[in-house]
Amino acid sequence: GAVVSQHPSWVICKSGTSVKIECRSLDFQATTMFWYRQFPKQSLMLMATSNEGSKATYEQGVEKDKFLINHASLTLSTLTVTSAHPEDSSFYICSASIAGVRAGELFFGEGSRLTVL
Amino acid sequence: DAKTTQPNSMESNEEEPVHLPCNHSTISGTDYIHWYRQLPSQGPEYVIHGLTSNVNNRMASLAIAEDRKSSTLILHRATLRDAAVYYCILRESGNTGKLIFGQGTTLQVKP
Repeated sequence: GAVVSQHPSWVICKSGTSVKIECRSLDFQATTMFWYRQFPKQSLMLMATSNEGSKATYEQGVEKDKFLINHASLTLSTLTVTSAHPEDSSFYICSASIAGVRAGELFFGEGSRLTVL
Repeated sequence: DAKTTQPNSMESNEEEPVHLPCNHSTISGTDYIHWYRQLPSQGPEYVIHGLTSNVNNRMASLAIAEDRKSSTLILHRATLRDAAVYYCILRESGNTGKLIFGQGTTLQVKP
């Protein structure tokens, strides 16, 4: 099946630094990718929809200047948490659907756990 | 976004069938019914999806009510590895249709 890979799987950083998380579709092209965050014992919360070659669409309440999303190619989307603070510590998960497949399944990455000290 | 309602938790015995219900009374005609499951500290895993007809795959079966206002995910023989949070989600038609996760059902499987 299709594989989505995230890197890094975990990262620890100091408060005030920026962290970049990569999401790659390894064996398929993805015109659309989705970014989620998940706090302990909670469900996934959609942050933004990333479209190849255009600006991301952010969900209400998500700061676009804090969570920078870039989708430069059909196989790579990146999420940069700028000036991270302890409250940004979370599990970040990306997902992608195969280009051209309508309403098909989404493939999820393994997740990236961010801890901000 | 159309919402779904699931029980918070369910228990099952190993090697017995499990029926996980989901209500989606506000579903629109173009919404697909998706099921995913998530193990701790992992990304969600696709289970099955359908539109109107019942669906079967190697993991599970999806039974969709005739009026599409509810559905049931069926695990035919639960194993300990099936213990997870199961999410029933409506996905809009189209490649950009997003998945909005609810709280899901935590399934416990007892040996």
